[in-house]
Amino acid sequence: DAGVIQSPRHEVTEMGQEVTLRCKPISGHDYLFWYRQTMMRGLELLIYFNNNVPIDDSGMPEDRFSAKMPNASFSTLKIQPSEPRDSAVYFCASSPRGIGNQPQHFGDGTRLSIL
Amino acid sequence: GEDVEQSLFLSVREGDSSVINCTYTDSSSTYLYWYKQEPGAGLQLLTYIFSNMDMKQDQRLTVLLNKKDKHLSLRIADTQTGDSAIYFCAENGGDDMRFGAGTRLTVKP
Repeated sequence: DAGVIQSPRHEVTEMGQEVTLRCKPISGHDYLFWYRQTMMRGLELLIYFNNNVPIDDSGMPEDRFSAKMPNASFSTLKIQPSEPRDSAVYFCASSPRGIGNQPQHFGDGTRLSIL
Repeated sequence: GEDVEQSLFLSVREGDSSVINCTYTDSSSTYLYWYKQEPGAGLQLLTYIFSNMDMKQDQRLTVLLNKKDKHLSLRIADTQTGDSAIYFCAENGGDDMRFGAGTRLTVKP
């Protein structure tokens, strides 16, 4: 079975540029999560969707960050304009049905470096 | 807020047992999880325990849950160099899933 697929695996760009991260969840999973991982702050939940609808975006750091899920098999996380402090590893995860009794499955992440 | 807390580092010798500890604060958590993260990879679910259990064993892994003290531990028997990774404790509390900061396990030959 294909797991959660993220692209690109690595992204290096200059500050001020727009960055788009992509995620394909596991087929049949109703929940999709975006996380950010840094050494300083650990793993942070940015936003999650249920059935393509954003449920909680309280973790999104600023208006520069936006996320969409146009259909059940695709989601994007966009940063515009990007800043050096956005450098981190961004993970997408998905889970079937409810959060409580179903574990999340993680992609391999996108390592983002903003110069 | 409610936090999941873990010690940041653990170092053991190959063949020894490793014990990684975690405390959580949400007594309504139904499941508690252990994830493993190897370098350059995402988090991989290792095991989980339902809150009405106090122990779960899976090959070299033993999870102990003390619900009264909100303490969770992961024991790895006969630790191998391939077990070197970051281990995350996580709880679910209603609509949210919260992760600890991760314990970096180093296994020395």
